[in-house]
Amino acid sequence: QKEVEQNSGPLSVPEGAIASLNCTYSDRGSQSFFWYRQYSGKSPELIMFIYSNGDKEDGRFTAQLNKASQYVSLLIRDSQPSDSATYLCAVLGGTASKLTFGTGTRLQVTL
Amino acid sequence: SQTIHQWPATLVQPVGSPLSLECTVEGTSNPNLYWYRQAAGRGLQLLFYSVGIGQISSEVPQNLSASRPQDRQFILSSKKLLLSDSGFYLCAWSLYPGLGEKLFFGSGTQLSVL
Repeated sequence: QKEVEQNSGPLSVPEGAIASLNCTYSDRGSQSFFWYRQYSGKSPELIMFIYSNGDKEDGRFTAQLNKASQYVSLLIRDSQPSDSATYLCAVLGGTASKLTFGTGTRLQVTL
Repeated sequence: SQTIHQWPATLVQPVGSPLSLECTVEGTSNPNLYWYRQAAGRGLQLLFYSVGIGQISSEVPQNLSASRPQDRQFILSSKKLLLSDSGFYLCAWSLYPGLGEKLFFGSGTQLSVL
C-alpha cells in the first residue's frame, strides 16, 4: 500500500465548477497535510496546509481533513483554466519525519 | 524575501559522465535544504537533506552524493551517471523543521541521461 495515494486523473471540470481532489494516507499518526500545485515543467508551489480536522478556507481553495478516515481533500471553487495543473498531496508526521508526497492528480479545467 | 536559485534548468549527459547541480538560497540563514527527484509518473522522492553546513542525510542509497559547503549552498553530485538517474531534480528549503515545516522549491533541473 502506498503511503500517500492520489488518483492520477486527469480530472476534468468545466470552468466555474468546483474541482474536488482527494488524497488518502496510510500512517494514522500523520499530523500535517499540505497541498502543492505543480504546472507542467515547473516546480511545486505550496498552496494550502491543514493540521486539524475540519475545513480550512483560503480564497477559492478549501482544504478538508478527516483523520479518522485518513483522507484529505482540496476543493477549488469557481475553477479557472489557470488552475489546470497537477496537485500534489504531502503528509508529515507519524513514522515519517520528512514530507511524503503522493504522485499527484492532474486537473484540467475546460472552457 | 527569500529566494532560491537552482541551475542549470536542463541538462543532457551521457551515461557514465559526472554530475554537479547547484542550489543557493538568499534572504535567510541556516535553512534546511533538500534535494528531491521526480521521475515521470512518480511522486517526489527525497534524496538528501541537510540541517547545517557539512551535515548531510541520505534517504535513498544510490550513486548520488550531496554536499553543503556553505550555509546557503547545496550541491548534488555523481561520479558516474546511470540511465536511471534521469528525472526532474528539485532543490528546496525550509525553516522551522517539524510538523509545520513548509517547503519552498527551486525551479528545478531536467536531467536526461542518454
